Amino acid sequence: RKEVEQDPGPFNVPEGATVAFNCTYSNSASQSFFWYRQDCRKEPKLLMSVYSSGNEDGRFTAQLNRASQYISLLIRDSKLSDSATYLCVVNMDSNYQLIWGAGTKLIIKP
Amino acid sequence: DADVTQTPRNRITKTGKRIMLECSQTKGHDRMYWYRQDPGLGLQLIYYSFDVKDINKGEISDGYSVSRQAQAKFSLSLESAIPNQTALYFCATSDSTSFSPDTQYFGPGTRLTVL
Repeated sequence: RKEVEQDPGPFNVPEGATVAFNCTYSNSASQSFFWYRQDCRKEPKLLMSVYSSGNEDGRFTAQLNRASQYISLLIRDSKLSDSATYLCVVNMDSNYQLIWGAGTKLIIKP
Repeated sequence: DADVTQTPRNRITKTGKRIMLECSQTKGHDRMYWYRQDPGLGLQLIYYSFDVKDINKGEISDGYSVSRQAQAKFSLSLESAIPNQTALYFCATSDSTSFSPDTQYFGPGTRLTVL
């Protein structure tokens, strides 16, 4: 089992719809969680950190479920510009060890 | 100007050649990292450095070496390039003193092709 797993997609979603995807992680001691966005052939950029209480930034909501060991990303009112690959990142322990998921590709269609 | 720069942006080379990829940052961050990205795979850590005198191997360091010439500069070398090192290489930085020391800031990437 991979340490951090994501559905590769692609998720094909009409503009304006709500879309959600999850990321599962294997180490229950993981402490930090992030979502990054990566456009084709570009560098990853931080979208949002994921806190235990969940957090929201505009149309984006991230949640952490420690019991089931997954984090989620919800995008409301999706825009064409949301088309990208979304990378899940987990810090596995107290020492530096960031593990990156392979990403979920999202395509927003007009 | 970009905070994290990488040179070159694209490079085609032949098997057995020595290649150096360079990374510079103006963010004042103490930590720097080198990753490679292959299609369908997550970013894989090659080496990381928490300060100028600290160099650590990542999960896939074989065939690579690094040098932290200054706080702002971190270079990656392929001593004898082989075709399976064809990939997209990213440099990243982070700030250990920030509220979120794990947050990483990436350079634009170097696309390396080894023939």
